[in-house]
Amino acid sequence: EDQVTQSPEALRLQEGESSSLNCSYTVSGLRGLFWYRQDPGKGPEFLFTLYSAGEEKEKERLKATLTKKESFLHITAPKPEDSATYLCAVHRKGQNFVFGPGTRLSVLP
Amino acid sequence: EAGVAQSPRYKIIEKRQSVAFWCNPISGHATLYWYQQILGQGPKLLIQFQNNGVVDDSQLPKDRFSAERLKGVDSTLKIQPAKLEDSAVYLCASSLDGTRYNSPLHFGNGTRLTVT
Repeated sequence: EDQVTQSPEALRLQEGESSSLNCSYTVSGLRGLFWYRQDPGKGPEFLFTLYSAGEEKEKERLKATLTKKESFLHITAPKPEDSATYLCAVHRKGQNFVFGPGTRLSVLP
Repeated sequence: EAGVAQSPRYKIIEKRQSVAFWCNPISGHATLYWYQQILGQGPKLLIQFQNNGVVDDSQLPKDRFSAERLKGVDSTLKIQPAKLEDSAVYLCASSLDGTRYNSPLHFGNGTRLTVT
């Protein structure tokens, strides 16, 4: 059975304190790994898609990387506006997206 | 482009009552999804439509949940009768073509359902 886990469950950072979020998956035939950001009371917002091990994508202070078993979302010098829940999801051929439970990130000023 | 529209934003009902949610996807998006998100969890797929046909409803509790997508555009999700455990946020998402693996989901802001 496809499984997606995320760690840590919650993370509190000081503004400017860089860190990484982890998404681990057990899926064969991965077609894509997706990262989303979800603000309270809003739907998830698409950030990145990664397709193969070794691939990296960047957007402002965020950088996503992918290995054969996990993905990392690196946050460099975060700001309070980066506070949100970050969700990862895997997509397998012929299957639907499976979402992880998310990491709740709080960035304190 | 306009995003995915959902209504209502909030709904409070008593158990055993019925409720319906509405979704209007992004124009031109062939694939529409309904997800259930329980507090503290990731979204869980209920049903996927490709145009107006059902692609995957394997996780839809069909004894109480139903959904339709008339004319391949708008969709409604209905719960009848509701149970306490149905309290959750119901998210609608659309994608350009769900048969392509590089087609990300675009979500609406959801309907928060509370069953008392």
